[in-house]
Amino acid sequence: DQQVKQNSPSLSVQEGRISILNCDYTNSMFDYFLWYKKYPAEGPTFLISISSIKDKNEDGRFTVFLNKSAKHLSLHIVPSQPGDSAVYFCAASAGRQGAQKLVFGQGTRLTINP
Amino acid sequence: KAGVTQTPRYLIKTRGQQVTLSCSPISGHRSVSWYQQTPGQGLQFLFEYFSETQRNKGNFPGRFSGRQFSNSRSEMNVSTLELGDSALYLCASSPQGSGIMNTEAFFGQGTRLTVV
Repeated sequence: DQQVKQNSPSLSVQEGRISILNCDYTNSMFDYFLWYKKYPAEGPTFLISISSIKDKNEDGRFTVFLNKSAKHLSLHIVPSQPGDSAVYFCAASAGRQGAQKLVFGQGTRLTINP
Repeated sequence: KAGVTQTPRYLIKTRGQQVTLSCSPISGHRSVSWYQQTPGQGLQFLFEYFSETQRNKGNFPGRFSGRQFSNSRSEMNVSTLELGDSALYLCASSPQGSGIMNTEAFFGQGTRLTVV
């Protein structure tokens, strides 16, 4: 039973364009969501997070949108840069556990083409 | 500030053996979580420790265990290793649980365990 789903295993985007990564969840108890970026043989690096009391959070080129009714969140990267090429994981937690116990999606491999 | 440090980085063990992995969290972080990453199952939560107590546990067999010391350093142990235990084991630390809510987890580089 996969509670956090990233349905696109891979995504290819032209440099300078917008990258949109999607994530769906099934557990209505999730109240905190995070996006991580991961390079091979390294640990995930935190990008941005959003609490369920918000529907948008922005940090530089990264914006996360949360649609609670649809149980859907998305990460927008604008403009996309070659260094953004990595695997992106969506993660969620429930019940004020914050980042202590995260449920991860399967990841989306983003490739930025020059 | 030093990041999360995991040792060793790589390990090869034989089926049936046991293994101990170590994690030093970021200074001041009292919560340490462990995750297993495999190609088939993705990143899965193993357990979380706070103030030397296991607070959360994932759906892994009892062969997987852990502990945390008074300086917040943590170890995880896997006994009677199976081929399917080959994975990247990641440790993450968080200041959460120390009166700070909704912050991120900081991950180490992981230990790549290969069971042959």
